[in-house]
Amino acid sequence: DAKTTQPPSMDCAEGRAANLPCNHSTISGNEYVYWYRQIHSQGPQYIIHGLKNNETNEMASLIITEDRKSSTLILPHATLRDTAVYYCIVRINAGGTSYGKLTFGQGTILTVHP
Amino acid sequence: GAVVSQHPSRVICKSGTSVKIECRSLDFQATTMFWYRQFPKQSLMLMATSNEGSKATYEQGVEKDKFLINHASLTLSTLTVTSAHPEDSSFYICSARERQAYNEQFFGPGTRLTVL
Repeated sequence: DAKTTQPPSMDCAEGRAANLPCNHSTISGNEYVYWYRQIHSQGPQYIIHGLKNNETNEMASLIITEDRKSSTLILPHATLRDTAVYYCIVRINAGGTSYGKLTFGQGTILTVHP
Repeated sequence: GAVVSQHPSRVICKSGTSVKIECRSLDFQATTMFWYRQFPKQSLMLMATSNEGSKATYEQGVEKDKFLINHASLTLSTLTVTSAHPEDSSFYICSARERQAYNEQFFGPGTRLTVL
């Protein structure tokens, strides 16, 4: 799976949009971009994923550049409860025991402050 | 989303004993389950992948005789840490996925293991 690069930490004011970047310059054509987050001492929580089109759900929006080498996760109105470690992961969606593994990097620690 | 539970949420044991951690998918059939380990201030590290009814596939560097994984049913996988030592103290997290649902992988709340 392609490696991702994320800033180690970011701050955001409550109520403002949080834009979390991710670089995945070696992504291949059949790899998806996934975002998960982990609130302290809990299991990771799925946020969103995409292949090449921008995606939006009730939690966030995912903007993928046209060359697919980078993406941005947008939390439109951050709250204090959005403080967490955010992981950007790329992986193949396929069957078998070896494919589809989620490999976590160091992620971005997002701190939302009042 | 689907719910994955783990039991116990927290366990303390003496060095040399074995500890079993259960992972259950509550409202779906988990054909594939994953076990991760997370040390303080570090990211999650995949330990092994298990498919229902077959032997687990361990990641490089993970001792299969020390971390026994059983995925005997479509809703239950267990991780047994045998002869635990203080360096095995960690946060163990399981994850489950339904057959063909490659986009959807759900995580349990984690189990905090402390070995004295």
